[in-house]
Amino acid sequence: LAKTTQPISMDSYEGQEVNITCSHNNIATNDYITWYQQFPSQGPRFIIQGYKTKVTNEVASLFIPADRKSSTLSLPRVSLSDTAVYYCLVGDYGGGFKTIFGAGTRLFVKA
Amino acid sequence: DTGVSQNPRHKITKRGQNVTFRCDPISEHNRLYWYRQTLGQGPEFLTYFQNEAQLEKSRLLSDRFSAERPKGSFSTLEIQRTEQGDSAMYLCASSLAKESGGLNQPQHFGDGTRLSIL
Repeated sequence: LAKTTQPISMDSYEGQEVNITCSHNNIATNDYITWYQQFPSQGPRFIIQGYKTKVTNEVASLFIPADRKSSTLSLPRVSLSDTAVYYCLVGDYGGGFKTIFGAGTRLFVKA
Repeated sequence: DTGVSQNPRHKITKRGQNVTFRCDPISEHNRLYWYRQTLGQGPEFLTYFQNEAQLEKSRLLSDRFSAERPKGSFSTLEIQRTEQGDSAMYLCASSLAKESGGLNQPQHFGDGTRLSIL
């Protein structure tokens, strides 16, 4: 299973765009990249998933370069409510697997 | 879709007691997962079920831990002879795995059961 590396914490201000980068040098051919968000005393919430290039949904964009050894979660115009822990996961979702969460990135959004 | 439901939300017990947690997954989901999360750490995988079959267990799942999913719907996680180190948030998640192959769906998590051992 590919290991991921993320910054421990990041600070931002309301209205700014936030980019969180995740390194996964040992990503396998059939691995997908998934990002989750977690608030205190709640379970993680799925944000976005991708395999290559760019994926965009209503809350975020995910940029994956051609070599797939890293990925960047982009949160446009963050608000105070985006203060949370963000996890990057890499795994094979095509069959049995066990999910490895790292320590995640703690994002603090300030007014 | 009512989401993944976990009960109880909080459990306080004395060391040495047995505890059981329940997870009700999203109804059409055939996969169910259990995780443990301690303060400041990401969730740690414990085990998962495909329908009623327990397909994988982490080495974190000692012989004091047992999980069941008897009818392929809800699941229970039991911890026998609890220890101080068992204090954690226990998370359940479910997902839909396509039997015929293709991309499986991401996991949907409940809000967990927080276990405190006195």
